[in-house]
Amino acid sequence: AQTVTQSQPEMSVQEAETVTLSCTYDTSESDYYLFWYKQPPSRQMILVIRQEAYKQQNATENRFSVNFQKAAKSFSLKISDSQLGDAAMYFCAYTGGVASFNNNAGNMLTFGGGTRLMVKP
Amino acid sequence: ETGVTQSPTHLIKTRGQQVTLRCSSQSGHNTVSWYQQALGQGPQFIFQYYREEENGRGNFPPRFSGLQFPNYSSELNVNALELDDSALYLCASSLRLAEYNEQFFGPGTRLTVL
Repeated sequence: AQTVTQSQPEMSVQEAETVTLSCTYDTSESDYYLFWYKQPPSRQMILVIRQEAYKQQNATENRFSVNFQKAAKSFSLKISDSQLGDAAMYFCAYTGGVASFNNNAGNMLTFGGGTRLMVKP
Repeated sequence: ETGVTQSPTHLIKTRGQQVTLRCSSQSGHNTVSWYQQALGQGPQFIFQYYREEENGRGNFPPRFSGLQFPNYSSELNVNALELDDSALYLCASSLRLAEYNEQFFGPGTRLTVL
């Protein structure tokens, strides 16, 4: 079974500065996807960024980028120029690729325990 | 485009009762997944429905059951409620394609079991 671990329950960053959230995962699959989701207080969970395991290039989305280290099974999220609106719970998540999908596992997401990000003005 | 909606927003039940939670998928989506998120934890996968059939299930007992309707909306039913069932229940819809498909989450239903 796959597991996802976020070792930082809380992180704090000064507005306009950069912060990195850590995530490690364990899997025996070679084909999979990794995600970072943002869950603001009392609001819907939204996808921040996605990384396909077969891609060597790290994904970027505006101020958000990842450092994907496949051999180390590490997937960190870097938020640059932090804004007050970035304050939220951030979840790292995993889903299997085609083999898992075809084995009737659908595309279930396995989440980490989350990191609460606070942004100081 | 209408997003994922869930009802009710909040619900209070007592131990032993039964509850039904509802989810309307985003327009054009044919797959619905349900997750349980206990306070301070990450969501846990309950099950997924595709074409009105269960398509993958997490480590949840049979008293957690579901339905998907022809319009792709879905229900989550929980029988014999226990105190530990208190959680935020999230529904996510997606369009099942050949491989990866992004899941879009609803706002959740907060269930409290007393």
